[in-house]
Amino acid sequence: EDQVTQSPEALRLQEGESSSLNCSYTVSGLRGLFWYRQDPGKGPEFLFTLYSAGEEKEKERLKATLTKKESFLHITAPKPEDSATYLCAVRSGSGNTGKLIFGQGTTLQVKP
Amino acid sequence: NAGVMQNPRHLVRRRGQEARLRCSPMKGHSHVYWYRQLPEEGLKFMVYLQKENIIDESGMPKERFSAEFPKEGPSILRIQQVVRGDSAAYFCASSSRDSREKLFFGSGTQLSVL
Repeated sequence: EDQVTQSPEALRLQEGESSSLNCSYTVSGLRGLFWYRQDPGKGPEFLFTLYSAGEEKEKERLKATLTKKESFLHITAPKPEDSATYLCAVRSGSGNTGKLIFGQGTTLQVKP
Repeated sequence: NAGVMQNPRHLVRRRGQEARLRCSPMKGHSHVYWYRQLPEEGLKFMVYLQKENIIDESGMPKERFSAEFPKEGPSILRIQQVVRGDSAAYFCASSSRDSREKLFFGSGTQLSVL
């Protein structure tokens, strides 16, 4: 069964204190690993898609990397506005389904 | 360019009533997905629809839940005879035919069953 596990569940950082969020996955035939950001009371906002081991993508203070078993979301010198829940999801298998399997998220709080 | 629009934002129903949740995808998007987020749980896939077709409903409960995406108008997620366990945030997402891997989510409908 396809599964996504994120750690830690919650993370508190001081402004400027860099860290990484982990997403471990088991999937039959990875067709993409996705990172989303979710603010309270809102829907997830797309950040990155990674398709193959070794791939990296960057956006401002965020950098996502992918290996065969896990993905990391690195946050460099975070600011309070980076506080949010970060969701990891995978798409697997074949066919035309658009189904994503989400992890439970890491809630990040960045204190000034 | 409006994003994915969901309404209502909040819906309160008593046990046994029906709940109808509406979703208008982004302009130009023909693929709609419904997800449910229960308290303390992650987002769970429910159903994937294209215009007038259900493509994958593997995440939909077998009873009381149905979804449609008609040729004209929004997609509707319908829950009949709601129970307290149906209380959750329901999110709709859409994608274009050419970029189906990139989902755009609405702000969700928070359903509360009394």
